[in-house]
Amino acid sequence: RKEVEQDPGPFNVPEGATVAFNCTYSNSASQSFFWYRQDCRKEPKLLMSVYSSGNEDGRFTAQLNRASQYISLLIRDSKLSDSATYLCVVKGGFKTIFGAGTRLFVKA
Amino acid sequence: GAGVSQTPSNKVTEKGKYVELRCDPISGHTALYWYRQSLGQGPEFLIYFQGTGAADDSGLPNDRFFAVRPEGSVSTLKIQRTERGDSAVYLCASSLTGLAYNEQFFGPGTRLTVL
Repeated sequence: RKEVEQDPGPFNVPEGATVAFNCTYSNSASQSFFWYRQDCRKEPKLLMSVYSSGNEDGRFTAQLNRASQYISLLIRDSKLSDSATYLCVVKGGFKTIFGAGTRLFVKA
Repeated sequence: GAGVSQTPSNKVTEKGKYVELRCDPISGHTALYWYRQSLGQGPEFLIYFQGTGAADDSGLPNDRFFAVRPEGSVSTLKIQRTERGDSAVYLCASSLTGLAYNEQFFGPGTRLTVL
């Protein structure tokens, strides 16, 4: 079993749609959680950190469920510019584990 | 300000050769990470430096891979006797500290192709 698992997609959605991505992790001792965004042939960039209380940044909402070892990302009112790969990231100790990513295509 | 830089941006080599990949982190960042990313996969952790020392090298795939950071700033990833399976994008990231919540800033990567 992979340490961090994500649905690879792709998710094809129209502009304005709401889309949700899920991620599960296997190490219950994991300490920090993030969503990164990666555009084609570019480096990953931090989208947002994920807190137990849930957090929101504009159209993006992230949730963490430690009991179920599950992280989610919700994107509301999708824009064409949201098309990218979304990487779930889990950190425990020094090691940072990335999921394989979920690909999102937003079409006009 | 300047971000993380990596050189070269592309490296093509022949099987069995030795390569060095360089990473210049953001000034003042004490933590430095190396990752390897293959097509369709997320970045795979290789090694983490806190200052000059490798605090966790558990991700290095075998003893052909070695990394140094002698002055706590620039780091070099060294691959001996390259194999075709080493072909990937090698990413470097730095963060202010190694604390779990610190954001990691990535460089543009070095695309290594082993023929």
